[in-house]
Amino acid sequence: SQTIHQWPATLVQPVGSPLSLECTVEGTSNPNLYWYRQAAGRGLQLLFYSVGIGQISSEVPQNLSASRPQDRQFILSSKKLLLSDSGFYLCAWYDPVRAYYGYTFGSGTRLTVV
Amino acid sequence: GENVEQHPSTLSVQEGDSAVIKCTYSDSASNYFPWYKQELGKRPQLIIDIRSNVGEKKDQRIAVTLNKTAKHFSLHITETQPEDSAVYFCAVGLASGYSTLTFGKGTMLLVSP
Repeated sequence: SQTIHQWPATLVQPVGSPLSLECTVEGTSNPNLYWYRQAAGRGLQLLFYSVGIGQISSEVPQNLSASRPQDRQFILSSKKLLLSDSGFYLCAWYDPVRAYYGYTFGSGTRLTVV
Repeated sequence: GENVEQHPSTLSVQEGDSAVIKCTYSDSASNYFPWYKQELGKRPQLIIDIRSNVGEKKDQRIAVTLNKTAKHFSLHITETQPEDSAVYFCAVGLASGYSTLTFGKGTMLLVSP
C-alpha cells in the first residue's frame, strides 16, 4: 500500500533562518507531488507541484523553492524565512495513471516563524 | 484558471439534522470533484468523490450531487453526529493526467449534541 511521510511535524524558526521540509512517498512510482500551505483558519494554497524528477511548477512566486531529487522525494526550502511563511505545510501525492484515489496528504508540518 | 466558490463558510446544525455544503466552479472541462474533511490540526482526508459521468454518489450518510450544466456540486450529510464537526473542502480538477486540484476555501461544520 502507498504511504506518505512528512517531517518534521512541528518547527519553530527565527526570521531569516533557512528552511527544509521533506516529503517521501512509498509504494508507488512516478507520482505527482504537491506542496500546499494552509494559514490558520484558511484554505489550501498550492505552492508547488511536480510530475517528475527535476520538474517543478511554481504557483506562487515567493521566497520558497521546491526540489524533487528522487522520484518519491519532494523538498520545500527557503533561504530566509519571513513571518508570513508561518502556516501548516502539507505534502500530497497523486497517481496520474490510476487516478482513482484523489490526493493523499501527508500529516503536515506546522511552521511558526518567530 | 479554475475558480471554486464554496458556501457557506460556517454551518451550525443540531445532532441528527442534515447538512448541505455547495460549491460552484468555472471551468467546464473539469470532471473530477472530491470532498475532503479536515479535523482540527489534522491532514485533509478524502471522504467522497464524483466524476462527471455520474450525477450522484452515496456512501452511507454522505452523498455528493453534481450538476455539470450549472457547474455546481454539493455535499450532503444526513443524521449528523458531533464527530462530523470539521472543516470540509470541495475541490475541482481533472480525473487523470497531470492537472492540479483547485480547492474551495472550506466550510466549518459544527454539530451540537
